[in-house]
Amino acid sequence: NFMLTQPHSVSESPGKTVTISCTRSSGSIASNYVQWYQQRPGSAPTTVIYEDNQRPSGVPDRFSGSIDRSSNSASLTISGLKTEDEADYYCQSYVSSYHWVFGGGTKLIVL
Amino acid sequence: QVQLVESGGGVVQPGRSLRLSCAASGFTFSNYGMHWVRQAPGKGLEWVAVIWYDGSDKFYADSVKGRFTISRDNSKNTLYLQMNSLRAEDTAVYYCATEFGSPIWGFDSWGQGTLVTVSS
Repeated sequence: NFMLTQPHSVSESPGKTVTISCTRSSGSIASNYVQWYQQRPGSAPTTVIYEDNQRPSGVPDRFSGSIDRSSNSASLTISGLKTEDEADYYCQSYVSSYHWVFGGGTKLIVL
Repeated sequence: QVQLVESGGGVVQPGRSLRLSCAASGFTFSNYGMHWVRQAPGKGLEWVAVIWYDGSDKFYADSVKGRFTISRDNSKNTLYLQMNSLRAEDTAVYYCATEFGSPIWGFDSWGQGTLVTVSS
């Protein structure tokens, strides 16, 4: 099994661009798709990226996802930051033998 | 529009049982695998269990295996989680979620969650 490691928190100003990383501890990041979930305070998670870089309908194109084989990590990039983007963000991937794993979550502060 | 509504949470003593439900609407429930995911207070997300679209297969996190049972009734568009031998560490908000399916293997739509508190 592997772990997904995220920074505990990141902060950036409105209008700027921020990137949240998600590093896989073993095995290739490209072996299984990565999803990203947004969880605003007091609310349930919602899906913002699936299949590494696909956006569900309704998610603005300010949100984008990518993977980097050289660093064995996935990234969520949010451009044109808005105060409403302030939330916890979780990456997720499939482990094997029908088990799923989440990263520890990153608190995005928009100040 | 997909809607998932969890219910059944509450306060329960250690060692006792509780059954959660997740009522689904707005999509063809019987076509989708379904998950339970939980979140302890102030902590991150933890996958709990999955059931195949037809109930033919079920898989569990090691932390709940042997104590929790996931099931579904496709005629009622409802997902269940039977939780036995509850422990303090099972205290969490429990979310049900739809599965994208192979090869994505991720969570598509989420319910609003139901809080389970295990305390004497």
